[in-house]
Amino acid sequence: GQNIDQPTEMTATEGAIVQINCTYQTSGFNGLFWYQQHAGEAPTFLSYNVLDGLEEKGRFSSFLSRSKGYSYLLLKELQMKDSASYLCAGLDSNYQLIWGAGTKLIIKP
Amino acid sequence: AGVTQTPKFRVLKTGQSMTLLCAQDMNHEYMYWYRQDPGHGLRLIHYSYGVKDTDKGEVSDGYSVSRSKTEDFLLTLESATSSQTSVYFCASSDRGLSGANVLTFGAGSRLTVL
Repeated sequence: GQNIDQPTEMTATEGAIVQINCTYQTSGFNGLFWYQQHAGEAPTFLSYNVLDGLEEKGRFSSFLSRSKGYSYLLLKELQMKDSASYLCAGLDSNYQLIWGAGTKLIIKP
Repeated sequence: AGVTQTPKFRVLKTGQSMTLLCAQDMNHEYMYWYRQDPGHGLRLIHYSYGVKDTDKGEVSDGYSVSRSKTEDFLLTLESATSSQTSVYFCASSDRGLSGANVLTFGAGSRLTVL
């Protein structure tokens, strides 16, 4: 079956760095997305990876290893506004999105 | 404005029907209805790839959709059950989910069925 696994909750300190991991099993693979969702709000797009390697976008970076079925989202210089859920989603061979349950990130001062 | 969902909150009794409305102003071809429940990822209910063109997602039982114009995508609960208590999100994209095509989501509709 198809599956996306990510930790349920993580806690980090303001100003620090945090890495949120995601492992995926999909029927075929056409890329991996990360979305951010603040409580009570809509998910918003953060990143898309289809090739191995690291994509950097300001304080946020996303990494993909296709051979390991693994991705991570790296958040640097954490700010209180980064407190949110982070959703990992894999795109399978039929271009259907398979979503993880999300990782709730709590930032402490 | 992006994607607008109405209503934002609704309480229903078991057996009642109701329709959620999604409107987008980006002229996107594709529109989607998802539900989000604790401990689950977003699950696709139905999607549309053009006016009058719709298809089922993984959790379509008990739901129907209609798309009479590009801007609007309606989700109807025919006879509500408590298992349909959820937060519903509408999303749109200008193409299908190939490549790096990004979804734009609405703010969600929280539905409670008593």
